[in-house]
Amino acid sequence: NAGVTQTPKFQVLKTGQSMTLQCAQDMNHEYMSWYRQDPGMGLRLIHYSVGAGITDQGEVPNGYNVSRSTTEDFPLRLLSAAPSQTSVYFCASSYGHRAFFGQGTRLTVV
Amino acid sequence: GQQLNQSPQSMFIQEGEDVSMNCTSSSIFNTWLWYKQDPGEGPVLLIALYKAGELTSNGRLTAQFGITRKDSFLNISASIPSDVGIYFCAGRGGGSQGNLIFGKGTKLSVKP
Repeated sequence: NAGVTQTPKFQVLKTGQSMTLQCAQDMNHEYMSWYRQDPGMGLRLIHYSVGAGITDQGEVPNGYNVSRSTTEDFPLRLLSAAPSQTSVYFCASSYGHRAFFGQGTRLTVV
Repeated sequence: GQQLNQSPQSMFIQEGEDVSMNCTSSSIFNTWLWYKQDPGEGPVLLIALYKAGELTSNGRLTAQFGITRKDSFLNISASIPSDVGIYFCAGRGGGSQGNLIFGKGTKLSVKP
């Protein structure tokens, strides 16, 4: 009964490095999304996907790329990490209007 | 873009007290959701509201979808220490399918 699985749980990057945050869901949901959570800012939508092969930008997409080759997986790529991308990242998978969240990835860019 | 104003930002209460928090928006929403986030975890859905005026309970939690469709509140009765966490409201925006707009959260602390 995994739900939404995010890896890694913690990551430290140097400025300019690239990395991919993994997200997988086993609920066969079409809709998946990525959020970042910063103190006092709530959750802000980065990118989302309404199904395999379809992605779109959310509120704060700059500096991030996504792809959706399968229903299960929705990775988030940071091409050239910046300190402003230090945050906690949450992946969510949705059925109807209900979003189910992973446990988060805490990313620090130094 | 659409924004939600959630208040209060934080609350410090005694165990057994009732709690009330709310969200308001300048835009109409078709769905209101309330989530709770425990430290180090992702948000977990508590209550979903789909119709204006709807009042829904989940144990000691009660939430209402405002008649104007621009607000919602969440009440917690007889708080207990495990109620500690951050509570988020979320509304479904009028744009793309499934996109949620989140409030900034209410941090609840409960003193035993």
